[in-house]
Amino acid sequence: DADVTQTPRNRITKTGKRIMLECSQTKGHDRMYWYRQDPGLGLQLIYYSFDVKDINKGEISDGYSVSRQAQAKFSLSLESAIPNQTALYFCATSENRENNEQFFGPGTRLTVL
Amino acid sequence: RKEVEQDPGPFNVPEGATVAFNCTYSNSASQSFFWYRQDCRKEPKLLMSVYSSGNEDGRFTAQLNRASQYISLLIRDSKLSDSATYLCVVNIANDYKLSFGAGTTVTVRA
Repeated sequence: DADVTQTPRNRITKTGKRIMLECSQTKGHDRMYWYRQDPGLGLQLIYYSFDVKDINKGEISDGYSVSRQAQAKFSLSLESAIPNQTALYFCATSENRENNEQFFGPGTRLTVL
Repeated sequence: RKEVEQDPGPFNVPEGATVAFNCTYSNSASQSFFWYRQDCRKEPKLLMSVYSSGNEDGRFTAQLNRASQYISLLIRDSKLSDSATYLCVVNIANDYKLSFGAGTTVTVRA
């Protein structure tokens, strides 16, 4: 079984809809991250969490919110989706130390019409 | 200026060839360096860390040049399975954040 899972894997939605993307991990890592990837751009950090209920903004947090109610789960919400949020979204985890490898989930492909 | 810049390629090479490409980073406080591999529409996975003295992992060799602020990746004896996008990743000391380049695409043809 995969250590980092994401649901759904693909989602098509309409402008203005609320969307939640879920991430679960069995690696026992404290740190979790949400990124988006757009063609021709590097991964951009949306939010990150170092522990349960710890929430920190990344580079591009506007239009997104997150929740970390358990160590193993980190959810990303788009309160009112817009077309320029169409992207590939990745969740990642890492151990609680600096300069450490990040382990990525399989990604969620989100299309906002 | 982007924190991490890469030549997007693509680098099209025949099997058995050697291919090399660089990545430049803008922050001189960068401390840790990595190459990740990403297959089409899949998640990035760590290929190798890059150490100051340079390091090899099988057919892959990574080098760091702090003076010129770039890292490189060389792939020897290319295999079809090496076809992927290679992401340059940089971390600043004592920072949570990894900075990702947009990737260099390598296509190995039979």
